[in-house]
Amino acid sequence: AQSVAQPEDQVNVAEGNPLTVKCTYSVSGNPYLFWYVQYPNRGLQFLLKYITGDNLVKGSYGFEAEFNKSQTSFHLKKPSALVSDSALYFCAVRPDRGSTLGRLYFGRGTQLTVWP
Amino acid sequence: NAGVTQTPKFRILKIGQSMTLQCAQDMNHNYMYWYRQDPGMGLKLIYYSVGAGITDKGEVPNGYNVSRSTTEYFPLRLELAAPSQTSVYFCASSYSVFVTSGGGYNEQFFGPGTRLTVL
Repeated sequence: AQSVAQPEDQVNVAEGNPLTVKCTYSVSGNPYLFWYVQYPNRGLQFLLKYITGDNLVKGSYGFEAEFNKSQTSFHLKKPSALVSDSALYFCAVRPDRGSTLGRLYFGRGTQLTVWP
Repeated sequence: NAGVTQTPKFRILKIGQSMTLQCAQDMNHNYMYWYRQDPGMGLKLIYYSVGAGITDKGEVPNGYNVSRSTTEYFPLRLELAAPSQTSVYFCASSYSVFVTSGGGYNEQFFGPGTRLTVL
């Protein structure tokens, strides 16, 4: 069965400090991994994805994520947090094969709060 | 491009009423999806479509129906609304040439959502 775990419901960090939002996954075959961000009363916006190749992927707004196959993790990181990064972050996975036809499996989300 | 649009933004229904949530995309995407988002639960897939005339159930299809007669539109129908259907509904779309081998790896684009309350 495919699943995504985001072990932290909330992450709090001071502005200017590095941030990490954790994600682990379980999937049949190889994973396609995604991070999305949701601002209040808005739809989800794509941040970045891992398909293959370099384990460190860079995305929008200075975010990056590291794919670790042995730990089945895909943690989201940013070297220096901004107050405007405060939002709800979702990790999602899709297997590279099977009958799920493009379907994404989402984690429950992590609320990031950056304090000024 | 408007991207993915949804109407209405908000709606209150009484138990037993029915309604249609509208979704449209202007990106010529072949895949379209309906999700519901409940607090602390992430997104759950209701129905999806890989092209006009082709739809299939997701994780939580009970109480809903969909149709897709064109590439652009993917309405979600609620029959006999129940309080358990109180949620925020998101429509999404994506494009892939890999229709028969799993759908590819392109990201999904989401609409702004419809907040539905059933009383």
